[in-house]
Formats: sequence, structure tokens, C-alpha cells
Amino acid sequence: LAKTTQPISMDSYEGQEVNITCSHNNIATNDYITWYQQFPSQGPRFIIQGYKTKVTNEVASLFIPADRKSSTLSLPRVSLSDTAVYYCLVGDGGQGGSYIPTFGRGTSLIVHP
Amino acid sequence: EPEVTQTPSHQVTQMGQEVILRCVPISNHLYFYWYRQILGQKVEFLVSFYNNEISEKSEIFDDQFSVERPDGSNFTLKIRSTKLEDSAMYFCATGQGEGNTIYFGEGSWLTVV
Repeated sequence: LAKTTQPISMDSYEGQEVNITCSHNNIATNDYITWYQQFPSQGPRFIIQGYKTKVTNEVASLFIPADRKSSTLSLPRVSLSDTAVYYCLVGDGGQGGSYIPTFGRGTSLIVHP
Repeated sequence: EPEVTQTPSHQVTQMGQEVILRCVPISNHLYFYWYRQILGQKVEFLVSFYNNEISEKSEIFDDQFSVERPDGSNFTLKIRSTKLEDSAMYFCATGQGEGNTIYFGEGSWLTVV
């Protein structure tokens, strides 16, 4: 299982772009990269998933370099409501439930007024 | 947007009592998971379930825990004899098995007194 490393915390201000980088040096060929967001006392919420290059949805963008040993979650123009913990997960989905999404400590993002 | 629903949202129980937490998965999902999060700590994997049987379980998932899908819809977690240290938020998650995207419910907050 590929181990991930991400900053423990980040601070930003409303309206700024926030980039959270995750390192996953031993990512396997079949692994996808998935980001979740969690607010206090709520379940993790899926944000975005990618395999390579760039993925964009209505919430965020995910940049993955060619070597796939890292990825960057980009949140455009954050607001106070983006204050949350962000988790980077790496895995292949498995078959028959063999893949177990595993959460680390995540990155605690605080957005200031 | 389809979602995973969990009941109860909050339950207080006395130590030694049995608790059943219920989850209604997203309708076309085949992979089911239970996670827990003790206050201030990481989201921890408990068990995965596929094809009507346990696929994987963690060391946390000991003999006091059990899971089943009794009616083909609800997915339940039973804690047979609760302990104080079982106090946590319990999250159900489900997935189709493609890549590693799983979707979490809002959680059931269990307080053991």
C-alpha cells in the first residue's frame, strides 16, 4: 500500500488559491489518487480522483506529474467554508473489496477572513 | 446525488449494552465498509464486506463486532457488549469497486457511558 505524506496544516485567506501537495513515492502502476474533505463531526466527502495529468471538477483540480510520485489538490478562491481536513489516498480499488482506503492525519486547512 | 444514509445519528448507551448501527448504501454499490473515528483521531478502518461476507477486517474488529446485510439493503454493524472506549463516530462507506472511490455516510455518533 502506497504511503502518503502531506502537510499537517495550512493557513489561507478567503479568495486565495490553495494548493495542497501529497507525496506518494511508491505509488504502484494501478493506483489511483483520491482526495477527500472532512468537516468536524461529518463523514469524509469525496472531492476528486485522478490517475495522471490533470483532472478538474466543479470543486477542485488535481495535478499529477508524469512520474506520479506526488499530486497537488488545488482549491480555487477558497472561502471560510473550505476550512476542513483534506486527505490524500492512494490505491488501486482492488477486487472483491481487497483494497482498503486508509486515512492518514490529513491536512488541516484553516481559511481566515 | 445518491448518498449513504446512516441511523441513528447519535446514540447514548450504557456500558455492556448491545448497539446496532444501520446503513443504507447507495443502490448499485457492492462494496461496504465500516470505519470509526474517535474524537480528535484518525478515521480508522474496521471492516469491509463484499458478496455477503467479510473481505477484510482490522485488529479493532474483534469478537464483539459483527456485520451483516440481513435484507439485501441495510448494512449493519453490531457491537455486542459496548465498552467506554467504543465511544466514537462510526462511518459507513460504500463503493462500486471501480478505482478507489468510496462514499461515506454522515456517521453515527456513539457515546458509551
